[in-house]
Amino acid sequence: QVQLVQSGAEVRKPGASVTVSCKASGYKFTSRDMHWVRQAAGQGLEWMGWINPESGATGSSPEFYDRVTLTRDTSIRTAYMELRNLRPDDTAVYYCARQVSGMDYWGQGTLVTVSS
Amino acid sequence: IQMTQSPSTLSAFVGDRVTVTCRASQRIDQWLAWYQEKPGKAPSLLIYEASTLQSGVSSRFSGRGSGAEFTLTISGLQPDDSATYFCQQYDAYPYTFGQGTKLEIK
Repeated sequence: QVQLVQSGAEVRKPGASVTVSCKASGYKFTSRDMHWVRQAAGQGLEWMGWINPESGATGSSPEFYDRVTLTRDTSIRTAYMELRNLRPDDTAVYYCARQVSGMDYWGQGTLVTVSS
Repeated sequence: IQMTQSPSTLSAFVGDRVTVTCRASQRIDQWLAWYQEKPGKAPSLLIYEASTLQSGVSSRFSGRGSGAEFTLTISGLQPDDSATYFCQQYDAYPYTFGQGTKLEIK
């Protein structure tokens, strides 16, 4: 069965960086784009960007384009999201999600807390 | 593309039928998905391409619309339908979500 398993919760100080990983199983990793979405407590869903695992091509929201880097390692079927220059309002749960038509499988979420 | 959902909250009884509306700021053809989210859980895909039911999702959920106006209807409400529902367009980057509709079952 398809599974996306994300790395564990992180705490960072403002100005630091964080990398969240997303390990895929149960399907051909390179066959589907992977997207990243975040959700601050009590807030809505915010799309961050995508990566094509086969080509490595990426795209990101203008809200993040200068702070986010999306990468993947096909040998271990894992996608990564790095967010730099963290601010307190980056505190949120970060999700990876497989895109088919709509996002049909999601990771369990990774809480990133940014606090001094 | 801005996605505007209404209402933001909804309260209904078990057995009722409710409808949530999502409007896009420009035409998105049929490239719209609906998700259900429960506290502490990742969102779950209900409907894609505006009206196609995701495998394993109850037929009590249905979607309609194309262009810029879409609806999600839930029939025969069950207590387990208590959740927040989001629409999302995937016609153009950046993908965008509606602000969500919180459904309370009385």
